[in-house]
Amino acid sequence: DTAVSQTPKYLVTQMGNDKSIKCEQNLGHDTMYWYKQDSKKFLKIMFSYNNKELIINETVPNRFSPKSPDKAHLNLHINSLELGDSAVYFCASSPRGTPDTQYFGPGTRLTVL
Amino acid sequence: QKEVEQDPGPLSVPEGAIVSLNCTYSNSAFQYFMWYRQYSRKGPELLMYTYSSGNKEDGRFTAQVDKSSKYISLFIRDSQPSDSATYLCAMNPYTGTASKLTFGTGTRLQVTL
Repeated sequence: DTAVSQTPKYLVTQMGNDKSIKCEQNLGHDTMYWYKQDSKKFLKIMFSYNNKELIINETVPNRFSPKSPDKAHLNLHINSLELGDSAVYFCASSPRGTPDTQYFGPGTRLTVL
Repeated sequence: QKEVEQDPGPLSVPEGAIVSLNCTYSNSAFQYFMWYRQYSRKGPELLMYTYSSGNKEDGRFTAQVDKSSKYISLFIRDSQPSDSATYLCAMNPYTGTASKLTFGTGTRLQVTL
């Protein structure tokens, strides 16, 4: 009965590789997000999609590309991974019309060696 | 200067104490104010949200917003060891389209027996 799920939970990879993180929500929400939480626990938004349309795109390197095949899924693909990409990535979703009741997934801990 | 400032702690209190957690902010456009709780190696969990100034109570938790002072608080009564977590404040201007939360860095709370 997981509301927002992410796979994988842990990802360890070498610099220069390409990797993807998947997110799915079964809450029927229209809006989904990707956040990055750095080693100091600071949580910063990266992207937001509303019904498969990109609505927020923060200053994120274009090596990061979100893709939303349908409104229940939002994946994050990262090309040419760098050491500084090591962080925990959280997916979240929120329903239409309720400002900011965002529900977070369990996170994907990415380590780039 | 960060848009949202939050003392990182750690804050250590004995079981049963009243806990006060606070954030200050600089952006007067913020209208919606949230508190999230994050246990170690888990995703943030929405605790409370309030619109504009005022108080909101939910069980042992009370959220206060003072927009004139750009100051928000979360009070936890009768604190329990299970309240030990990092508490993140978040806020949003909510323009009706994008829901871009700005988070504080979080305060780590430890409730001791």
